[in-house]
Amino acid sequence: ELKVEQNPLFLSMQEGKNYTIYCNYSTTSDRLYWYRQDPGKSLESLFVLLSNGAVKQEGRLMASLDTKARLSTLHITAAVHDLSATYFCAVVHSNAGGTSYGKLTFGQGTILTVHP
Amino acid sequence: DAGVIQSPRHEVTEMGQEVTLRCKPISGHNSLFWYRQTMMRGLELLIYFNNNVPIDDSGMPEDRFSAKMPNASFSTLKIQPSEPRDSAVYFCASRPWTSTEAFFGQGTRLTVV
Repeated sequence: ELKVEQNPLFLSMQEGKNYTIYCNYSTTSDRLYWYRQDPGKSLESLFVLLSNGAVKQEGRLMASLDTKARLSTLHITAAVHDLSATYFCAVVHSNAGGTSYGKLTFGQGTILTVHP
Repeated sequence: DAGVIQSPRHEVTEMGQEVTLRCKPISGHNSLFWYRQTMMRGLELLIYFNNNVPIDDSGMPEDRFSAKMPNASFSTLKIQPSEPRDSAVYFCASRPWTSTEAFFGQGTRLTVV
């Protein structure tokens, strides 16, 4: 059974600081997604990471994937209040032949609060 | 495209009543997912359809829950009878054949009293 674990689950940051959210998963997968969810809202796709060593950046957020370590990171640079939200990683299940069929398992989510 | 459309956005019902949640996926997407989100359990996949056929319903909690997809543009998730522990936000998501990225609807917030 695929398990996805994020840490930390709660993150309180000061504006201007840097921090990293970690996402570990338990079985082979070659695709990982990061989503953002604002309170009471839906999930918004941030990054799609498709291969080992993949790195994507958008504004103050940068995501990377290490499939050998089964680890993805979401790095926040010089945090601003607008980044306050819950961040989820989600891993695509692969079958025994390595084919992805789209079933996503989500981590618990990291609640990020950025303070002035 | 309007995205994945769910209805209703909010539903409050009494224990024992039947509840039906509805989803219209993005046109052209051939896979549809129903997720449930609670504080205690996070986001759980309930059921997954591919080309209108249920592929994996291992996440459906019990027989009170059922889901259908009669055609490519409509799906329902029914709870009968509903119980207070079913209170959650239910999300529908869809994806195209060419991608594993899922696009989520706005969710239905269900409260069973």
